[in-house]
Order: sequence, then structure tokens, then C-alpha cells
Amino acid sequence: ETGVTQSPTHLIKTRGQQVTLRCSSQSGHNTVSWYQQALGQGPQFIFQYYREEENGRGNFPPRFSGLQFPNYSSELNVNALELDDSALYLCASSLEGTRGGNVLTFGAGSRLTVL
Amino acid sequence: AQSVAQPEDQVNVAEGNPLTVKCTYSVSGNPYLFWYVQYPNRGLQFLLKYITGDNLVKGSYGFEAEFNKSQTSFHLKKPSALVSDSALYFCAVRDIAGSGSARQLTFGSGTQLTVLP
Repeated sequence: ETGVTQSPTHLIKTRGQQVTLRCSSQSGHNTVSWYQQALGQGPQFIFQYYREEENGRGNFPPRFSGLQFPNYSSELNVNALELDDSALYLCASSLEGTRGGNVLTFGAGSRLTVL
Repeated sequence: AQSVAQPEDQVNVAEGNPLTVKCTYSVSGNPYLFWYVQYPNRGLQFLLKYITGDNLVKGSYGFEAEFNKSQTSFHLKKPSALVSDSALYFCAVRDIAGSGSARQLTFGSGTQLTVLP
């Protein structure tokens, strides 16, 4: 089985620009979550998608948006980039409905630098 | 709201010695608890989880964790540390009854474990 793959691995943007990050879920998983990990911090929940709809959102502004596609791949879009958006963005997939707590399978992340 | 505290930013231990990485949590209901490990330039890898049942949970690579409800703790342990265990460790919690945004995993700030040869 393949794991979670993310692209691009690294990218540099300037303030005010827009960025799209992509994620392919692990085979058999139906839920995708996105996390932001700033330097020296733990991952912070951005949002989760299940059946192509957002079903949970953390404390992030609307300029952070996402999509989940029928094949369970996903995109994270960030508009009007700010310097504080510089971070490692982690995509994680899981199988919703699994008894006993869903284990998230993480990708290696996309490191975004905003100048 | 749910939260996790990892009180130690850094833990150093000699190879072959036992290791403990501390974690305490707060949820309104009953918790699901997880430990993940992160190596440089890599995503997080699952180590173990507590759902219900035995308080001592065994996971990957010889790690185990003990759930203590009265102390709201879930410390990660290993009887004999290896140099290859050196990495960043994250504890995470989720409320069993959570829905919507409460389905998220809430992570601690991480503990850097260094095993010295």
C-alpha cells in the first residue's frame, strides 16, 4: 500500500501571494486532515475533509481553504499569504468510522516560506 | 477544549538506560491518546494509542505508554534506549465524544529525545 504523498516538498512565496498544496491519501482512507507545524511547535489542526465536505475546522481564518476530491486526494489553498504562514504543512489521511480512534497517517509535509 | 502538555522540551538519556517522555492531557470527556514520532524532514509516524482497557499500551519499536486517569497522564517509556530513538516525540489527545472540530487531534509542543552513545 502507498502512504501519504505531498507536493511540493518546498516552496517560497512572497506576502500577498496565493499557494496550493496537494496531498494524495493512503489507499483505503476516506478522510484527510491538514495541520500547520510552525518551527519548534506541535502540529495545529487546520481542517478535516470527509466525503468531499469540511467536517471540522480549527482556529484558522477563511483564507485557508481546502478541497477533497472523489479519489480522496486533497488540496490546501492559502490566499493573501502572511509572513506567519511560514511553516511545515502536514497532510494526514485516516479511515473514518474505525472503532477506537482513527490513526492518522502523515505525509512528509510541504515546507512553505513566505518572504 | 482539549489540550496536551509536554513539560520537557528536551530529554537526554544514555544508550541502554530506560527513557520516559512525559505527557499530561485535558479533555472534557474520555480521551483517545496517541504518541507520534518525527524524524528530521519527515512527517509524523504513529507509535501507539490508548483507547480503552489495559492502562499499559505497547507500541512500535519497543515503546510503551501508561495511561493514568487520576493524574491525566500518558507517559511514553522504553526499557532500554537506542541511539536511533533520537527524534522529536509528540503526544496527542482527542475527545472520544468529539464531533466536528473536536474530532481533531490536539498535539503537544513536542519533546526532543537525544540518546547518547
